[in-house]
This record gives sequence, C-alpha cells and structure tokens, in this order.
Amino acid sequence: ETGVTQSPTHLIKTRGQQVTLRCSSQSGHNTVSWYQQALGQGPQFIFQYYREEENGRGNFPPRFSGLQFPNYSSELNVNALELDDSALYLCASSLEGNEDRGKNIQYFGAGTRLSVL
Amino acid sequence: RKEVEQDPGPFNVPEGATVAFNCTYSNSASQSFFWYRQDCRKEPKLLMSVYSSGNEDGRFTAQLNRASQYISLLIRDSKLSDSATYLCVVRDAGRRALTFGSGTRLQVQP
Repeated sequence: ETGVTQSPTHLIKTRGQQVTLRCSSQSGHNTVSWYQQALGQGPQFIFQYYREEENGRGNFPPRFSGLQFPNYSSELNVNALELDDSALYLCASSLEGNEDRGKNIQYFGAGTRLSVL
Repeated sequence: RKEVEQDPGPFNVPEGATVAFNCTYSNSASQSFFWYRQDCRKEPKLLMSVYSSGNEDGRFTAQLNRASQYISLLIRDSKLSDSATYLCVVRDAGRRALTFGSGTRLQVQP
C-alpha cells in the first residue's frame, strides 16, 4: 500500500452543492497533488500544495480550491457543483524539494468517487 | 493536440504473448517519464520510471526516444494479471505536476 488515504470513498451530491474531500499523505512526504479522472480518461492535474502553499494549478476554475495543513494532509473543496464534476478525485503525495526532483515519485490514494446528480 | 497521446486499445492478447504500447508527448521540455498501471476502478500505481538509456524490470522493458518524443513499454510473457490500463505519464522540467495520457487498455486472455 502507498500509505496515502482518502475520504470519503464515495459521495453523492446534487448540482449547486459544495463538497470537501480529504487526503492524508504518506509519512515523510511534504507535497500533495490533486487530480480529477473522468471515466475513460487519464487523470487531469487540478493543483498541488507544497509546504502549505499552492504550488501550481491546472486548468480548473476557482470554485476548485484547496488547503494543506501543517501535518501535510490536504483538502479539496469544490463549490457550486456541476454535473461534469462527477469523476474520481485522486490525491497523490510525494517528497519534493530535494536534489533529484525530476524523479520524485507520486503515490496515489484510492480516490474519492463523486457523483453529482 | 493532447500533451500525451496513447492508443486507447483495447489490446486483446493470449497468455504468453509479447505486447508493446507506444506513447508520444508534445513538450520537448519534459524531464521525467513513467508508466503507471491502473486496474479497473482503482488508483494508478507506478509500474516503472523510464530512463534515457532504456530500462528493464523483469518482464517489462521501457524505452525513451527524446528526439522523437516517444516512449514505449514492452511486456513479455503476458500474464492474466497484467490485464489493466497502462498510463503513459510525463513530468515537465520546473513543474511538479504529472501529465497523463488517456491510457491503453490491455486484456490478457487464457
């Protein structure tokens, strides 16, 4: 196992609602990245948190926001849910900031499957 | 044009067959390359990193051609347990985000 845990595993919401997803990173890791995976597609980068600061963002609107806590766990918040937000949300943890940053491996949690009705 | 392109498959092969997957990437500044494996409704798991000189891990061989911006994965002696989706992944210099292809689905049949 990767040691990356996500909660909840499944969630059903309706359009317009708000949702918070949680991720605990692997022990010793300082970076959490969030990805959205629609059915039949590869994961798409949402954003990354490094030492509690946002450190890069993909092509997602501002209603997707996040936090990283001092223990390096993280939350993804999505406001004003839309039907197209239905997807598997994956969190990945890694150790960044070392010399070999080009090869830093991201380890994924099992994901949260969000359905928006 | 997608940043990372893969043939979606599916590739249906018998046990014991050799199968090869290809992937192309558009950003010449890409720095790191990986193959991840994803089982149905599960998270992606790192299969192997891909190095410029090519590398092998048991039945799996990965190759990188920077000039052609092309990555490959060869699986020899396919097992039923190899059935999964294989994701080609790149990481650009200066970025920490991973860019994924849409994946190639492999089904190994008895």
